[in-house]
Amino acid sequence: DGGITQSPKYLFRKEGQNVTLSCEQNLNHDAMYWYRQDPGQGLRLIYYSQIVNDFQKGDIAEGYSVSREKKESFPLTVTSAQKNPTAFYLCASSPLQGDYYGYTFGSGTRLTVV
Amino acid sequence: SQQGEEDPQALSIQEGENATMNCSYKTSINNLQWYRQNSGRGLVHLILIRSNEREKHSGRLRVTLDTSKKSSSLLITASRAADTASYFCSYFSGGYNKLIFGAGTRLAVHP
Repeated sequence: DGGITQSPKYLFRKEGQNVTLSCEQNLNHDAMYWYRQDPGQGLRLIYYSQIVNDFQKGDIAEGYSVSREKKESFPLTVTSAQKNPTAFYLCASSPLQGDYYGYTFGSGTRLTVV
Repeated sequence: SQQGEEDPQALSIQEGENATMNCSYKTSINNLQWYRQNSGRGLVHLILIRSNEREKHSGRLRVTLDTSKKSSSLLITASRAADTASYFCSYFSGGYNKLIFGAGTRLAVHP
């Protein structure tokens, strides 16, 4: 079955640590996205990528980094520069003409600072 | 902010009743989409309505769009306990690669 897989489901980070969230899709989608969701709020765009080896900052990119070395993979690193990283992180993908299709979302990673 | 707004923020109904959620947005759009999120899970795409459409149906879902008022509504008919979830409207702003989400409506359907 085609889909998008995020791992791990739960992640704990110590102060000052970098952590990487995995996102893999087998839908042959060109575009991939990372969103952050805080309790009771909507989703905010962190980074997006439309093609391999290229990505753009979203609305809240500070303290995060991404790479897109393969079409299937779009990992997100939460760096120590992100002062409030505790949140639910969602990865999504879509065909390049995303305006005409819905996004497919992964099941999310819940990151907690300990 | 370009963020859309859903209304109400929370809705509690009994099984069998209809649930109506509203969404307002701030920019011109090509289409508007509705998503559902079960607690602690990812979002699932429900329905997309284009700017030249006024109403669209999918099973027990009915979506309307009024571009003159920059608003949309999602109606779930004959609700079930399994419909309990958060519902988000979303639309593209600044190009197709910036999908904007509202804060969502939390729907609770009681048996």
